[in-house]
Amino acid sequence: QQQVKQSPQSLIVQKGGISIINCAYENTAFDYFPWYQQFPGKGPALLIAIRPDVSEKKEGRFTISFNKSAKQFSLHIMDSQPGDSATYFCAAIQPGNQFYFGTGTSLTVIP
Amino acid sequence: NAGVMQNPRHLVRRRGQEARLRCSPMKGHSHVYWYRQLPEEGLKFMVYLQKENIIDESGMPKERFSAEFPKEGPSILRIQQVVRGDSAAYFCASSPQLASYNEQFFGPGTRLTVL
Repeated sequence: QQQVKQSPQSLIVQKGGISIINCAYENTAFDYFPWYQQFPGKGPALLIAIRPDVSEKKEGRFTISFNKSAKQFSLHIMDSQPGDSATYFCAAIQPGNQFYFGTGTSLTVIP
Repeated sequence: NAGVMQNPRHLVRRRGQEARLRCSPMKGHSHVYWYRQLPEEGLKFMVYLQKENIIDESGMPKERFSAEFPKEGPSILRIQQVVRGDSAAYFCASSPQLASYNEQFFGPGTRLTVL
């Protein structure tokens, strides 16, 4: 059973556009929600993360929006650039450090 | 400060052979996690270890797979009698301590191909 559902599976965005990736979860024990970025041939790297007591967190062009009542969170990439082309994973963590990852979104930013 | 190191980066095995994947955590990190990534799929948790202890192995297949993190040396993920379905990228991550908000730092992965 997939603990964290992620969509879309793939996304193509024009340079300068907004990329939006969505994730949903059911387990209310999750208390930390990171997003990871993975380039081909590399391991995932933490991009940005949010706690459930905050509705939004912004770091540069990357923003997480968190809706606790809907149990959904999303990543917004503003002014998307070709260098942002990568696979993005959302994750949810429950106490005890158990990480659950979404299935990933392959983002392609077209110049 | 070196990051998480994994070796080998690529490993080719024939069906029935053993695969040993190594992971050296970041300096000062005592928690290690192993994940498997199949093509077009996300990361699947396999096992969580501290030095000399397996904390959570709920994601490990019941047979042929084992993991250890000895007092000295790297963490080892061992796959006995490999089958084609074991072909995947295996990632190791480490964190400094147990806490809800600890980031996991990932290694570059080992890509296992079973012929």
